[in-house]
Formats: sequence, structure tokens, C-alpha cells
Amino acid sequence: QVQLQQWGAGLLKPSETLSLTCEVYGGSVSDSYWGWIRQPPGKGLQWIGEINHSGARHYNPSLKSRLTMSVDTSKNQFSLNLSSVTAADTAVYYCARVFGSAVLRLDLWGQGTLVTVSS
Amino acid sequence: EIVMTQSPATLSASLGDRATLSCRASESISSNLAWYQQKAGQAPRLLIYGASTRATGIPARFSGGGSGTEFTLTISSLQSEDVAVYYCQQFNDWPPDYTFGQGTKLEIK
Repeated sequence: QVQLQQWGAGLLKPSETLSLTCEVYGGSVSDSYWGWIRQPPGKGLQWIGEINHSGARHYNPSLKSRLTMSVDTSKNQFSLNLSSVTAADTAVYYCARVFGSAVLRLDLWGQGTLVTVSS
Repeated sequence: EIVMTQSPATLSASLGDRATLSCRASESISSNLAWYQQKAGQAPRLLIYGASTRATGIPARFSGGGSGTEFTLTISSLQSEDVAVYYCQQFNDWPPDYTFGQGTKLEIK
């Protein structure tokens, strides 16, 4: 049974870089695309982007200039970096598996990490 | 960007009622739509993909329909454990920018 476990710093100051990592248990990071989604407190879900093991990346255009995603196949992990954070980046961040070929869905989710940006 | 619009924002229904949630896409997305359920303090859970296919372990009272720009999620007989926020998400955009609807909060009346 494939599971995702995520971690990263929960409190950042404005202008710092948000860094989160998600590890794949019971499966291989080489099998799928992997996505990141965030949810500001009390609000809805926002698609951040996705990456696969060969480095193909697709980013939300509104975040693209600050966003970097990577995959480490040796550790079965994938990561998210978001630079120059502001209070508007405060959210719960989720990692997820983008499953399927013709019919896509986010079928597995990490537990979520609350990231707060505050001076 | 494909904009996903859900209605109503909040739905109040009684136990045992049939509840219908709607999702509209700003352009045709064929059947490239998923529905998720998010309970308070939890990560979202996949309910429906491909507009109408139930995910593994999802009760049969949940069903999805529609194609093109208009979609529905129906709960045939509302249970107390169905209280949650429901989101739709499209997977039709290229390059991928898989936008979500703003959510429908389902309450028990």
C-alpha cells in the first residue's frame, strides 16, 4: 500500500524560502507524476504543480517564477521549494500522487504541512 | 486557465436526503474531472474520477455525472459522516494547470 509522508519547516519569515519534502513508501517515485497542492487557512485548494522522475515539470503560472520542484530517485522523495515567501503563502501544503495515464486523479495524499509566514 | 465554479457554496440537507452538488468548467474538459471530499482537519480524499468512476472503497451512494462543462456529484442518501467540503478538479488543461473549484460545504439540516 503506497503512502506519502511529508515534512518541512513550519514557520518562515518573509523573503525566506519554503522547503518541503514528500517521501513515497511502498512504491516508487519513478512510477508517476507527483503534485503539490496548498490550502490557505479557511479557504479552498490551489494547484501548485507537478513533477515526474525524469524531471518533467509543470508549474502553476502564478507561482512559476518562485517555484522549484525536484525528485530524488535514490531516496524515493520529491521536493518543493518556494522562494521569497510572503504572508500570502501561509497555507497547509499537501503532496499527492497524480495517478493515471488517460484519466488522471490525485489518488494519494500526504498528511499536510502547515506553513506559516510571519515576521 | 480553466475556471471551475461550484454551486451551491453551502448545501444543508437532512439525513437520508438526496444531495446534488454542481461543478461548471469555463470551457469543455470532456470527462477529465475528479471529485474530492475533505473533512475538517483532514487531507482531501478522492471520491470520483473520469467524471463518473468511483474510487476504490467509495460507497455506492456517491455517484458522478456530466461531461463537457457541466458536472454533478450526487449522494443518494445522506449520512452523518458525509458532512464535509467537496471539491471538483479538472485535468484537461495543457500545459497542466489542474484547477479546483472553490468547494461546496455540505451540512446536515
